[in-house]
Amino acid sequence: QSALTQPASVSGSPGQSITISCTGTSSDVGAYDYVSWYQQHPDKAPKLMIYDVSNRPLGVSNRFSGSKSGNTASLTISGLQAEDEAVYYCTSYSTTNSLYVFGTGTTVTVL
Amino acid sequence: EVELVQSGAEVKKPGESLRISCKGSGYRFTSYWISWVRQMPGRGLEWMGRIDPSDSYINYSPSFQGHVTISADKSISTAYLQWNSLEASDTATYYCARLVEPTRGGRFDPWGQGTLVTVSS
Repeated sequence: QSALTQPASVSGSPGQSITISCTGTSSDVGAYDYVSWYQQHPDKAPKLMIYDVSNRPLGVSNRFSGSKSGNTASLTISGLQAEDEAVYYCTSYSTTNSLYVFGTGTTVTVL
Repeated sequence: EVELVQSGAEVKKPGESLRISCKGSGYRFTSYWISWVRQMPGRGLEWMGRIDPSDSYINYSPSFQGHVTISADKSISTAYLQWNSLEASDTATYYCARLVEPTRGGRFDPWGQGTLVTVSS
């Protein structure tokens, strides 16, 4: 099972919006609305930011939003802030024996 | 507060065995699956497998099947990840995570703080 494809890096200025893509296949991203996104700061554990494509857990800022079209899911961060600098991973439930597949990870830099 | 607390960092030699742990608190341990995720140095996240602590039913990723063993002791709300013979390539940080709503795909929330395993001769 190959990892989901994400851009290696995305950057933006404070206050801007950025979007991170996550491309999979009809066996994972395209098969279900079970895409979630995780934020990982250096030397920290990942934190759930979005689940089931577009749902935010309690406590997560509404500046984070998710969507999906076909085999590609997206995470948008609006009103970019310095604290948003981190690596972001998508993950999807899969019809294969791997069950869960992660994305390659995207480093977000706030300029 | 829901929390997963993992055991401390380990330094081992190739061929040695190891078991690391993940203790859940703040929720009913048997109501949620636990997953294990590997992160090699400077690399991304890889799903290793999951266990239902209520009956110890396990699913392994094909990439890890046969190389690690996942188990749980529900009496002490603890899940384990075990190796019988470590290799240098097992050097990584290992995270446990609670799997929420596995019948609807599932999401990992929260995560343990991670256990760094270093395998070196």
